[in-house]
Amino acid sequence: KAGVTQTPRYLIKTRGQQVTLSCSPISGHRSVSWYQQTPGQGLQFLFEYFSETQRNKGNFPGRFSGRQFSNSRSEMNVSTLELGDSALYLCASSFSGATGNTIYFGEGSWLTVV
Amino acid sequence: GENVEQHPSTLSVQEGDSAVIKCTYSDSASNYFPWYKQELGKRPQLIIDIRSNVGEKKDQRIAVTLNKTAKHFSLHITETQPEDSAVYFCAASRSNDYKLSFGAGTTVTVRA
Repeated sequence: KAGVTQTPRYLIKTRGQQVTLSCSPISGHRSVSWYQQTPGQGLQFLFEYFSETQRNKGNFPGRFSGRQFSNSRSEMNVSTLELGDSALYLCASSFSGATGNTIYFGEGSWLTVV
Repeated sequence: GENVEQHPSTLSVQEGDSAVIKCTYSDSASNYFPWYKQELGKRPQLIIDIRSNVGEKKDQRIAVTLNKTAKHFSLHITETQPEDSAVYFCAASRSNDYKLSFGAGTTVTVRA
């Protein structure tokens, strides 16, 4: 099976712009979640989607949003970019097996805001 | 919400020695505890996980132990090799939550 695929891998944006990141989960996985990773704050949960519905949300401002499509692919959007949004954005794909959920990460999208 | 603390933040070991990383969590409802290894510039890779119905799990040179009463879990790496050098993260979640709360990470360096 192919792993979690994220695009683009690297991007540079200017303050005030917006950005959209894309994620394709592992085939058969219906849950997609997003995390932000920075040296200062570590790995922080952004939100999680299952069957096109947001089931859980972390403590991030409304500038951070996401959605999931019927084929389980997901996008996240950050509007009005700030310098502090520079980070590695990780998408995670999950399935719920007989013993519980297991979560796998994609390679991430490196966002630099200048 | 869940709070996961991880110690130590850095760990340097001689090749062949063992490495131990410890994590504590605050939410007594958490029952899934994965460990991820992240090499520089790469994604966090799931290396082992444990659920609350077991106290220990082993996979070759890696083992994880869980003490639900004390709310702590640990990663043990035996016979360390240079390729074990990476940042290791512990995490916790409720079984059907899909939201992981991560520790701050431990940078492990294996000296040849």
